[in-house]
Amino acid sequence: DAGVIQSPRHEVTEMGQEVTLRCKPISGHDYLFWYRQTMMRGLELLIYFNNNVPIDDSGMPEDRFSAKMPNASFSTLKIQPSEPRDSAVYFCASSARVQGSYYGYTFGSGTRLTVV
Amino acid sequence: GQSLEQPSEVTAVEGAIVQINCTYQTSGFYGLSWYQQHDGGAPTFLSYNALDGLEETGRFSSFLSRSDSYGYLLLQELQMKDSASYFCATSRDGQNFVFGPGTRLSVLP
Repeated sequence: DAGVIQSPRHEVTEMGQEVTLRCKPISGHDYLFWYRQTMMRGLELLIYFNNNVPIDDSGMPEDRFSAKMPNASFSTLKIQPSEPRDSAVYFCASSARVQGSYYGYTFGSGTRLTVV
Repeated sequence: GQSLEQPSEVTAVEGAIVQINCTYQTSGFYGLSWYQQHDGGAPTFLSYNALDGLEETGRFSSFLSRSDSYGYLLLQELQMKDSASYFCATSRDGQNFVFGPGTRLSVLP
């Protein structure tokens, strides 16, 4: 398996523009997570899905952020309009339990977002 | 809610043993995980403890004491490549993990 695939790797955009981050989880993983990492706030959970259904979006900063998972192999995180304080590394991760055993999250390489 | 505490930095020399501690407060507890993250990279899963005791995986071991709300990651025979940030993370349901602030480990020659 190619692991969790995120795109783009880097994104530089101007304040006010729409940004869409993409994620392909590992096939067979039924949980998908979006995290944001900054020096000040560390790793923060934004939202997670189970079997394509959003379970907890309490970490989404505000209405400017939205996430979808239309099928088991694809998820998007959208920021509209973007602001400089959204600059961070955004990670997607997926996980599954195999016969009751837990093997942790597999993270994608992340998208480094810079809003100028 | 959940909160975790870790030392911000630890320094050790090559070949030594280092222990990174993690204390947590949570309204419900399902397990403690450890992740490694090199600069510019993604976190990678190291270990998971659901029950008290020591779990060993090669040079790395992880310990959990649920009664003390405490765990640690033990790294033996330190190598330069172990220089990274290490995060503990707890979960209330076994799937949704909250991460600690991370401990930056520097391994000196």
